[in-house]
Amino acid sequence: QLQLQESGPGLVKPSETLSLTCTVSGGSISRSSYYWGWIRQPPGKGLEYIGTIYYSGSTYYNPSLKSRVTISVDTSKNQFSLKLSSVTAADTAVYYCARHVWFSHVDYWGQGTLVTVSS
Amino acid sequence: QSALTQPPSASGSPGQSVTISCTGTSSDIGDYNYVSWYQQHPGKAPKLMISEVSQRPSGVPDRFSGSKSGNTASLTVSGLQAEDEADYYCSSYAGSNFYVFGTGTKVTVL
Repeated sequence: QLQLQESGPGLVKPSETLSLTCTVSGGSISRSSYYWGWIRQPPGKGLEYIGTIYYSGSTYYNPSLKSRVTISVDTSKNQFSLKLSSVTAADTAVYYCARHVWFSHVDYWGQGTLVTVSS
Repeated sequence: QSALTQPPSASGSPGQSVTISCTGTSSDIGDYNYVSWYQQHPGKAPKLMISEVSQRPSGVPDRFSGSKSGNTASLTVSGLQAEDEADYYCSSYAGSNFYVFGTGTKVTVL
């Protein structure tokens, strides 16, 4: 059974960079036809697509976040990562890593990790 | 790119049916048959309920069904059960390697 697990700091200061890693177990991140991505959910609000990466390194980002987002992959560790720069309180959210069936849907989600932006 | 529009709430008694709408544009729902629906219980990650407009993943009860007409997709839950009480989100591929989610609907089982 595929499992995804987010890890990283739960508290980030304003103007700094948020960094999260997703570790994939029970399957290879290099499997074709699947993409790996990040989705966030501010407290009490809806879901927002952040971006996606293929194991080859091709990346796709939400245009509204593109200038601040970097997603990378490490196939040797079966992990992919998110960096979001210049964070503000508006970036406070539960961040989910997920597996995407491209063009279609997310079929596996991590449990989510709350990241709070505060001084 | 704006979020897809869903009603904030919907409700029904046990055994009844409830239908949730998800309205987009000709650039997302209207242009692609890549609409999916997710169920989210409080404090939990979303769970895929419907993919590609009307495909039900293995393990999802057949009480859940999806459809699409023009720029609007719908999720119907038939034979409502207490465990169906949750938030539901639609999502659609919107071209240019971009996805958009719906605003979310809270379903209450009366």
